[in-house]
Amino acid sequence: DTGVSQNPRHKITKRGQNVTFRCDPISEHNRLYWYRQTLGQGPEFLTYFQNEAQLEKSRLLSDRFSAERPKGSFSTLEIQRTEQGDSAMYLCASGQGALNTEAFFGQGTRLTVV
Amino acid sequence: AQTVTQSQPEMSVQEAETVTLSCTYDTSESNYYLFWYKQPPSRQMILVIRQEAYKQQNATENRFSVNFQKAAKSFSLKISDSQLGDTAMYFCAFISTTSGTYKYIFGTGTRLKVLA
Repeated sequence: DTGVSQNPRHKITKRGQNVTFRCDPISEHNRLYWYRQTLGQGPEFLTYFQNEAQLEKSRLLSDRFSAERPKGSFSTLEIQRTEQGDSAMYLCASGQGALNTEAFFGQGTRLTVV
Repeated sequence: AQTVTQSQPEMSVQEAETVTLSCTYDTSESNYYLFWYKQPPSRQMILVIRQEAYKQQNATENRFSVNFQKAAKSFSLKISDSQLGDTAMYFCAFISTTSGTYKYIFGTGTRLKVLA
């Protein structure tokens, strides 16, 4: 399968713990996005990478959130000191090129903070 | 700021019939892209259809077509000959061409159920 891969698929954590999610985009896709999706809502943009550079961050991305994309390949999203409000589906998407607007999504990581 | 509104939280349609999902958006830009994405239960989102704002002709992909009304800022999706596999959440989305990031702005979605 050469699609976007996200791990883990599910994560249950206690409030206050740190969690890290991983996204492996489609090979050679230079654009990578993180979105957050809560129940009954559409995905909300969190951050965008072009290759290894993080070019845009949403105001939703508080200082407890950090994302990296070393070497422009896989990406990680870390949430420190998790709160119950962080419970959501975290989606990763990738895209290629300046003219291709299509994004390919992973299945997401569902985070539950208890 | 751009916004996307989907006013139908849930819809149902009988198999083989036609259904139309509504979407309106707000932007001050003249050039942008609009999309419909499908999210089946427990599956990843996939692109259904895309429309460039500068094109007057409505996009069509097999059983899926759009009615793009630029002046009214309306972008509805018509699914013809509905199939059980069309059961999913459908999201309308917008991309600005000026931002350079191609980040999507999504609506809240419409849950479509196709009935046998």
